[in-house]
Amino acid sequence: DQQVKQNSPSLSVQEGRISILNCDYTNSMFDYFLWYKKYPAEGPTFLISISSIKDKNEDGRFTVFLNKSAKHLSLHIVPSQPGDSAVYFCAASRGGSTLGRLYFGRGTQLTVWP
Amino acid sequence: KAGVTQTPRYLIKTRGQQVTLSCSPISGHRSVSWYQQTPGQGLQFLFEYFSETQRNKGNFPGRFSGRQFSNSRSEMNVSTLELGDSALYLCASSGGLASYEQYFGPGTRLTVT
Repeated sequence: DQQVKQNSPSLSVQEGRISILNCDYTNSMFDYFLWYKKYPAEGPTFLISISSIKDKNEDGRFTVFLNKSAKHLSLHIVPSQPGDSAVYFCAASRGGSTLGRLYFGRGTQLTVWP
Repeated sequence: KAGVTQTPRYLIKTRGQQVTLSCSPISGHRSVSWYQQTPGQGLQFLFEYFSETQRNKGNFPGRFSGRQFSNSRSEMNVSTLELGDSALYLCASSGGLASYEQYFGPGTRLTVT
């Protein structure tokens, strides 16, 4: 079963505006959450992560918000740039002995237009 | 620091054959995880190796196997290839026992005909 879900397969945003990508999860045992960006024919590139003990983490233009009670996280990109156009994957880990296993969502295709 | 490297980048095999893919992690990283990406199933976890031991395993048949060497390099093997094994195979490495951030290689595109 899909324990990490990205319900929006695509998102289109104008350059300079905010992009908000959403992710929901079902397993309350997840301890860590990550966002990856992927271009065609390349491996995913790590963007930003957050531990379940936090509710926000920022890195430059990227901010991840975690709402544990709703089992929901989001990635905000401000301002959006055309180079941000890619597929974004949300991933989660249970930590402990299963630290090396990530559960991925199906991805959201972000298109940033000029 | 050099990133994760995978060889070969592209591979074409015939049904019934076997294949071995190789992954070199980031220097100093001891954990290597393998994933399969297909359009229908997305990114699926295959297995993870840490210090030459398989630490986690996903829900794939026994035809999929792997190993890790003392220098942390890892290989995965698929025997008796099926058409459905056509996919992008990704390897990721992470550093330290408690590190959950995985860094991916470019992948090996396997096509089975």
